[in-house]
Amino acid sequence: GESVGLHLPTLSVQEGDNSIINCAYSNSASDYFIWYKQESGKGPQFIIDIRSNMDKRQGQRVTVLLNKTVKHLSLQIAATQPGDSAVYFCAENQAGTALIFGKGTTLSVSS
Amino acid sequence: DTAVSQTPKYLVTQMGNDKSIKCEQNLGHDTMYWYKQDSKKFLKIMFSYNNKELIINETVPNRFSPKSPDKAHLNLHINSLELGDSAVYFCASSQAPSLTEAFFGQGTRLTVV
Repeated sequence: GESVGLHLPTLSVQEGDNSIINCAYSNSASDYFIWYKQESGKGPQFIIDIRSNMDKRQGQRVTVLLNKTVKHLSLQIAATQPGDSAVYFCAENQAGTALIFGKGTTLSVSS
Repeated sequence: DTAVSQTPKYLVTQMGNDKSIKCEQNLGHDTMYWYKQDSKKFLKIMFSYNNKELIINETVPNRFSPKSPDKAHLNLHINSLELGDSAVYFCASSQAPSLTEAFFGQGTRLTVV
């Protein structure tokens, strides 16, 4: 699988590989984190979320990992498919604020 | 049924004009937002309304004026449009003002010429 140690704006993988997209968030007081997927010409779409009292959460083919010590969030996509090609954003939130988005990562999946 | 819908999808206008973007959500949510996405895909919060009341107003020129006639609608009016206003504007809604996912509309691509 392909992994990214630091945030990179683009990630290219082969179909069937596992993808890991990383995100560094800014506010140590953030309580809630979301990963969004944005396809071309569309609005961001919810993928998975995690609260600060957890360090891992799994969904269908996706896993989010939270490391509060280093303020790091990652999204793992298993068996990446061409339909996963999109821009992925992490977002952080605390009470009283709106979602704050990180820089996006463009995932390209080739078959 | 579209959960969060905004109109128009595309808007091309000249500098100095005034334009509005409309947004409606049928999710029964209390909170609505406007986000701006620039050419580098960076998404930035502009405004947030909860139960028709403005709760977040980021550093946005006062040429931008949101209006929420009811909980299901949040419109954005822009006066004296400038070239730098060109961007994609997204409306979103959520059940509560924070700590919950937001649902986004399809976006309005505004081009000022």
